[in-house]
Amino acid sequence: ETGVTQTPRHLVMGMTNKKSLKCEQHLGHNAMYWYKQSAKKPLELMFVYNFKEQTENNSVPSRFSPECPNSSHLFLHLHTLQPEDSALYLCASSQDAAQETQYFGPGTRLLVL
Amino acid sequence: GESVGLHLPTLSVQEGDNSIINCAYSNSASDYFIWYKQESGKGPQFIIDIRSNMDKRQGQRVTVLLNKTVKHLSLQIAATQPGDSAVYFCAENGNTDKLIFGTGTRLQVFP
Repeated sequence: ETGVTQTPRHLVMGMTNKKSLKCEQHLGHNAMYWYKQSAKKPLELMFVYNFKEQTENNSVPSRFSPECPNSSHLFLHLHTLQPEDSALYLCASSQDAAQETQYFGPGTRLLVL
Repeated sequence: GESVGLHLPTLSVQEGDNSIINCAYSNSASDYFIWYKQESGKGPQFIIDIRSNMDKRQGQRVTVLLNKTVKHLSLQIAATQPGDSAVYFCAENGNTDKLIFGTGTRLQVFP
């Protein structure tokens, strides 16, 4: 266990659905991240939050909407996704955004039909 | 753009042998490097990291070597075990606070 949990672990949704991914870290960290992992591609950074403030939006489409209510919780709200959005979505945390060592959760496997 | 790549997409080793996974990085300004292990169905797991002021760092059964002259990073696993079977990623920071990941090398351990 890395101290970072994600729910749900698997999600199947239609293109018109709205769903949310949840991440929680129990490490006392102040920075949290969303990554997308697609087959045969490097991890793609989506969003960075540092002390609850969004510090990075890596040109992510607006159908992905992050929310960070506190330093321990991070959400990714999904709306009108496309089949190409099917991927493993990984959450990570680090002491703060200046600390490079990131600890990952198990991910949510998302399938968009 | 920046890139981090791996020489071998798949590495097969016999149980008990040593494994060496290689990584080439492109940004000479990178001063932090990290290796992750990702098993099937799981998220990446931190293995070991190294800063550019070092050329070698050892952990439990793992050693990371950094050659800044040729921008090369390697992960050595001693006495490879079946539980070491996974995809291994290297990442660099590009002298920023964000990690840039490679595509990964799959390590297969056979008896």
